[in-house]
Amino acid sequence: DTEVTQTPKHLVMGMTNKKSLKCEQHMGHRAMYWYKQKAKKPPELMFVYSYEKLSINESVPSRFSPECPNSSLLNLHLHALQPEDSALYLCASSQGVKEETQYFGPGTRLLVL
Amino acid sequence: KNQVEQSPQSLIILEGKNCTLQCNYTVSPFSNLRWYKQDTGRGPVSLTIMTFSENTKSNGRYTATLDADTKQSSLHITASQLSDSASYICVVSAASGTYKYIFGTGTRLKVLA
Repeated sequence: DTEVTQTPKHLVMGMTNKKSLKCEQHMGHRAMYWYKQKAKKPPELMFVYSYEKLSINESVPSRFSPECPNSSLLNLHLHALQPEDSALYLCASSQGVKEETQYFGPGTRLLVL
Repeated sequence: KNQVEQSPQSLIILEGKNCTLQCNYTVSPFSNLRWYKQDTGRGPVSLTIMTFSENTKSNGRYTATLDADTKQSSLHITASQLSDSASYICVVSAASGTYKYIFGTGTRLKVLA
């Protein structure tokens, strides 16, 4: 299995809602990442998990809360988002955290109303 | 400052024609360079990866070149197909053990019938 899966594919939420994005991989990768991508822009790194521990938080607002329940799963909990948070949220994984190829999921298209 | 710049920003070609995309970087110390293809609304998919000692790498109709002296890379697409319409992103990793990918701004390619 060489795939990173993400659910849901699309999500529409209000500014007062609480929702979660899910990411899963079964490649035995020990590093997982969350990226945010706005239209016609490159992905921006949000968080990096290494061996299920948060190792990088790129000064992301606290309304985004990551969680890594085990080595195969990565969640992103969303609360009190703003319309400018609407974007494509990409999950990726890699064997380790140093220079290995990252494999990306298909993304979750989020719209905040 | 570590930067990756791509040109052109966008490109339109006719099906069956060849094209070349450019990537210039200032990342130091350099570890490797990857080209990714990203279909609209989907996650990026790795096409090639090249280290310092590699000058060229092919993946089907995609051929990437690297000149580590001038810090330039190119992606050549041969006999383009409609399915090649996508964004092509150049990504450079530094050799300092950093977790991060340094993304280029991408080239949006449109192949017309």
